[in-house]
Amino acid sequence: QKEVEQNSGPLSVPEGAIASLNCTYSDRGSQSFFWYRQYSGKSPELIMSIYSNGDKEDGRFTAQLNKASQYVSLLIRDSQPSDSATYLCAVNELFGYALNFGKGTSLLVTP
Amino acid sequence: DVKVTQSSRYLVKRTGEKVFLECVQDMDHENMFWYRQDPGLGLRLIYFSYDVKMKEKGDIPEGYSVSREKKERFSLILESASTNQTSMYLCASGGGGAVQDTQYFGPGTRLTVL
Repeated sequence: QKEVEQNSGPLSVPEGAIASLNCTYSDRGSQSFFWYRQYSGKSPELIMSIYSNGDKEDGRFTAQLNKASQYVSLLIRDSQPSDSATYLCAVNELFGYALNFGKGTSLLVTP
Repeated sequence: DVKVTQSSRYLVKRTGEKVFLECVQDMDHENMFWYRQDPGLGLRLIYFSYDVKMKEKGDIPEGYSVSREKKERFSLILESASTNQTSMYLCASGGGGAVQDTQYFGPGTRLTVL
């Protein structure tokens, strides 16, 4: 079973701070990495995808990938209370169709 | 914009009933997926389909079956609903190919089996 591990949290950060969410994965063959945001009672919504080592920025979000360390992270700059949600990390299986999801990290941004 | 729709947001059924959950996508995606999500257990893959009439078991297929007669439509069937199938059911679709594309989720169906 391929593992995707996330700290369940909750991670609490003050408004305006940087939130750092981390994810490790076990399948060395994985090529595609995704971050989803899920508000309570809602379905997951894609925030970022990353395929190459390094950083990828989109607005206040930055995804970071280190395949050698099997580590992917999501940074949220200038955190807002509306960012309070559960963040799911997802990793593909090489030559597979499915994504393996972590159980998510709960983020709480306090005003 | 990708749109994945599910037939019901909330559903209440009785033990032993046959339950149909339907999912429709409008992006001509090859792959479609059914998950269930439970507190503390995360997202678990029930079944997926990579082509019309093709299906593969996921991690927890027991008690479920699926049907994909048209590319845009993927149905999940609970043959005889049980209380332990009370859950949030999420459908997703994605592009296809050897390297997995992004999956887009529908709004979910909250199923309660009494």
